[in-house]
Amino acid sequence: AQSVAQPEDQVNVAEGNPLTVKCTYSVSGNPYLFWYVQYPNRGLQFLLKYITGDNLVKGSYGFEAEFNKSQTSFHLKKPSALVSDSALYFCAVRDKENQGGKLIFGQGTELSVKP
Amino acid sequence: KAGVTQTPRYLIKTRGQQVTLSCSPISGHRSVSWYQQTPGQGLQFLFEYFSETQRNKGNFPGRFSGRQFSNSRSEMNVSTLELGDSALYLCASRFSTYNEQFFGPGTRLTVL
Repeated sequence: AQSVAQPEDQVNVAEGNPLTVKCTYSVSGNPYLFWYVQYPNRGLQFLLKYITGDNLVKGSYGFEAEFNKSQTSFHLKKPSALVSDSALYFCAVRDKENQGGKLIFGQGTELSVKP
Repeated sequence: KAGVTQTPRYLIKTRGQQVTLSCSPISGHRSVSWYQQTPGQGLQFLFEYFSETQRNKGNFPGRFSGRQFSNSRSEMNVSTLELGDSALYLCASRFSTYNEQFFGPGTRLTVL
């Protein structure tokens, strides 16, 4: 079965410092990986995806993620955190057992950026 | 382009009632998926519709059902509501298999 794990429930970062939100996955074959962000009382906003190609993926709002096949990881990064980045972040993998749109999500990581 | 819209945004029902939630996908998107988000279980897939056909179904009881219309708009229905059905219900649409899903703001359902 395919799965995604976000080992940290919460990440605290000072504004201006780099941030990393961790994600590891378990899938058979090549994974399709995604990062989403959720602000309070809002739906999920798409940040970036890895389908194939370069291991470093650039996304919205200055975020990027590094796909590491040997470590089965897809960590989300940003060189300089902003207070407005404080939100709930979800890593997801597309369920490849079917050709449909089922995403399997991690439990989420609460990012808190302090001024 | 307008994003995914969901109505209503908030809903309060009592146990035993039924509820219908609506989702309008982004124009041109033919796939609509539904997810349930709760603090305890996180985000869980309910089902996906593509061109009016249910493609996939998550591990939810038969009280949860859905449908898609010819204009790609989708509805989900929950019958005989239980307290545990209280959740944020998210709808997402996508253009094709390899594209990302775009989510609506959700419908917050509270069952009393």
